[in-house]
Amino acid sequence: NAGVTQTPKFQVLKTGQSMTLQCAQDMNHEYMSWYRQDPGMGLRLIHYSVGAGITDQGEVPNGYNVSRSTTEDFPLRLLSAAPSQTSVYFCASEPSRGRTDTQYFGPGTRLTVL
Amino acid sequence: GQQLNQSPQSMFIQEGEDVSMNCTSSSIFNTWLWYKQEPGEGPVLLIALYKAGELTSNGRLTAQFGITRKDSFLNISASIPSDVGIYFCAGQPPFYGGATNKLIFGTGTLLAVQP
Repeated sequence: NAGVTQTPKFQVLKTGQSMTLQCAQDMNHEYMSWYRQDPGMGLRLIHYSVGAGITDQGEVPNGYNVSRSTTEDFPLRLLSAAPSQTSVYFCASEPSRGRTDTQYFGPGTRLTVL
Repeated sequence: GQQLNQSPQSMFIQEGEDVSMNCTSSSIFNTWLWYKQEPGEGPVLLIALYKAGELTSNGRLTAQFGITRKDSFLNISASIPSDVGIYFCAGQPPFYGGATNKLIFGTGTLLAVQP
């Protein structure tokens, strides 16, 4: 198993550009989520999904869209990038709701918005 | 929203020393988790705690779920250079319904170990 994979590993955008951060898992996990990590702050939940076709907002959803068309993939879209979205983004998955002790994180995508 | 206060922010110690860090909250949690993050990687779960007063060990790591359910600590004994990284606590609030697995993360403790 590859676990949780994220692409790209690094990305630089100009203000106003759009892009999609990819996340995939091969463990057949129901639950997937996106976090952002900023200096001096803990990880903050952006969006999450409890299964294919179901998504919901986390703590800091503004400026981001998600969809979950398959169990394996959970892409995060930035529609119009802003410098405030410069951060490290982590995708995570776990087998089902409530099993946070089996949550796996991807290696992260480091995004800079100029 | 809920916040976790994690301390200390950073620690610079000599190999062989013991380390202690803690997290406190103004509200209760049902689960406490401790993660380690190495440079360029995502967090990796070290220990999970499920009930007040629980004390759990994982090798040289020991963590406890506070009796009040508002705090937790992590101890590392006899530190070694590979313990270097950022340690995060995370708490899962009580489940109030709805499809959520939300975790609240602490701000992290940076640990540096000098050989």
